[in-house]
Amino acid sequence: ETGVTQTPRHLVMGMTNKKSLKCEQHLGHNAMYWYKQSAKKPLELMFVYNFKEQTENNSVPSRFSPECPNSSHLFLHLHTLQPEDSALYLCASSQEGTTNEKLFFGSGTQLSVL
Amino acid sequence: SQQGEEDPQALSIQEGENATMNCSYKTSINNLQWYRQNSGRGLVHLILIRSNEREKHSGRLRVTLDTSKKSSSLLITASRAADTASYFCATDDNHAGSNYQLIWGAGTKLIIKP
Repeated sequence: ETGVTQTPRHLVMGMTNKKSLKCEQHLGHNAMYWYKQSAKKPLELMFVYNFKEQTENNSVPSRFSPECPNSSHLFLHLHTLQPEDSALYLCASSQEGTTNEKLFFGSGTQLSVL
Repeated sequence: SQQGEEDPQALSIQEGENATMNCSYKTSINNLQWYRQNSGRGLVHLILIRSNEREKHSGRLRVTLDTSKKSSSLLITASRAADTASYFCATDDNHAGSNYQLIWGAGTKLIIKP
């Protein structure tokens, strides 16, 4: 157990559906992240929240909408996705949100868009 | 932007043998991290090595860093079946504008044969 919990573990959705991914960390960290992992590609950082404020948005399409109601919870709302959005979505947290510290990852949500 | 590159892309060895994976990067760094990912799961942090360090150990893991060659290696000694996983390196980029973005390689897939 890494202290970061993601739900659901698997999700299949049609292109017109709306769904949400949930992430919760029990580590008292101040920063939370959403990453996208596609086959044979490096991890892609999508969003960073530090002390509940969004500090990074790596040109992610608006069909992905993050929400961070407090430092322990992070959501990724999905709407009108495309088949190429099928991937493993990973949530992570770190103490201070800098690149000088290690990340703690959840187990991910394997998303399939039909 | 910079991208870490792991080498080889895939490695298959017998249980008990040593496994060596390499990571190269392109710009100057403050630190480099290694992570392990079991199939379809989240990443687990292994070791962080700073730019002023040359070698670091953790159990059966040994990481070296050569900043003159912009490369790092991860050695797993006396491999076990449980070491079967993908291994990723990640670097910060102290020239980048972001304090939050690690630069990830595409990973080395390690298979330990019993």
